[in-house]
Amino acid sequence: DAKTTQPNSMESNEEEPVHLPCNHSTISGTDYIHWYRQLPSQGPEYVIHGLTSNVNNRMASLAIAEDRKSSTLILHRATLRDAAVYYCILPHYNAGNMLTFGGGTRLMVKP
Amino acid sequence: DGGITQSPKYLFRKEGQNVTLSCEQNLNHDAMYWYRQDPGQGLRLIYYSQIVNDFQKGDIAEGYSVSREKKESFPLTVTSAQKNPTAFYLCASSISRTVNTEAFFGQGTRLTVV
Repeated sequence: DAKTTQPNSMESNEEEPVHLPCNHSTISGTDYIHWYRQLPSQGPEYVIHGLTSNVNNRMASLAIAEDRKSSTLILHRATLRDAAVYYCILPHYNAGNMLTFGGGTRLMVKP
Repeated sequence: DGGITQSPKYLFRKEGQNVTLSCEQNLNHDAMYWYRQDPGQGLRLIYYSQIVNDFQKGDIAEGYSVSREKKESFPLTVTSAQKNPTAFYLCASSISRTVNTEAFFGQGTRLTVV
């Protein structure tokens, strides 16, 4: 199964853009790239997902490298409420979309 | 509102007792999952179910049991055989075998065994 690699932690200033990287060098051609985030003491919440093209939604943007071996989650203007652990995941569709979580990136936002 | 509900939010039990955590969803999802999270760690899969009356072990199934008698319900029992049951337990659901969809998580149950 394809694995993902993320930095353990990142810092950002409030109202500045944040770029959270993820490496997935063993990704297969049919693997979607999903991002979830987990606020303290809460369950994870879905952020965004994509296959090949860059994707935008109200929460974030997802930039996918042309070779799909890496991707970047972009928060356009970080707020204090964006402080969370961000997980980059490749779901196992043959196992009912099972998600395997790594350690994620802990984003700290400074006022 | 549609969603996934876990109860209770906090649970305390004495060592050696079995305890059952509830997970209910009204999203009409086929697949449901149980994860365990220890402090400062990522989520680890305990069990998952892709359809009613069927479930599979995840990475850390020992000391846990589940049932899936109804589509909307996937209770998890933490048995006395689980050596270190104190943890944050999360339930999730998703549409099964569909490539372009997301999972929904409950708010979790924090179990403390004393």
